[in-house]
Amino acid sequence: DSGVTQTPKHLITATGQRVTLRCSPRSGDLSVYWYQQSLDQGLQFLIQYYNGEERAKGNILERFSAQQFPDLHSELNLSSLELGDSALYFCASSAGPQGGETQYFGPGTRLLVL
Amino acid sequence: AQKVTQAQTEISVVEKEDVTLDCVYETRDTTYYLFWYKQPPSGELVFLIRRNSFDEQNEISGRYSWNFQKSTSSFNFTITASQVVDSAVYFCALVNAGNNRKLIWGLGTSLAVNP
Repeated sequence: DSGVTQTPKHLITATGQRVTLRCSPRSGDLSVYWYQQSLDQGLQFLIQYYNGEERAKGNILERFSAQQFPDLHSELNLSSLELGDSALYFCASSAGPQGGETQYFGPGTRLLVL
Repeated sequence: AQKVTQAQTEISVVEKEDVTLDCVYETRDTTYYLFWYKQPPSGELVFLIRRNSFDEQNEISGRYSWNFQKSTSSFNFTITASQVVDSAVYFCALVNAGNNRKLIWGLGTSLAVNP
């Protein structure tokens, strides 16, 4: 158990809908990262927050947004969902903002868009 | 440009065999970090090891060992006396030091250990 929690574990929804994925980092960690893992694209970095502020952006679509709240939990919002958004979404956390720190991953949210 | 190559897509071995997973990386930075993660069939990503570019000592942890060679830009992972529970996808990743640097992932090697 990494100490990172993610909810829900599974999510099934329809195209055009909007969903919110939630992540709580390990105790003491200030950075949260979001990743998408799909069969055709592998693991893709989406976005990083550090202590409430956006620190780095990866291949995140405009339909997706995220935020980190004062209690350090983070939410990833996916809107206007398409079939291709079906994937495993991971949240990870690390102590600080530095790129070289170890990221500990949550169990993931498996999203299926029908 | 940064890149991580895991040339072995799938490996199948019989229990108790030793197996080496290859990882070759590209980066222009002198300070960087390398990681290995394991993704078992249950899906979670489990951290295995982190190594910085200035530490070329090999590391051993139980049946796992890592060989870091800057001269060949490789960070290979060996499992000794493999077990069925080692069956998983293994990912190698690279990140440069400093703020706002993202992990660059290899495509993973799927290891099947058969009884």
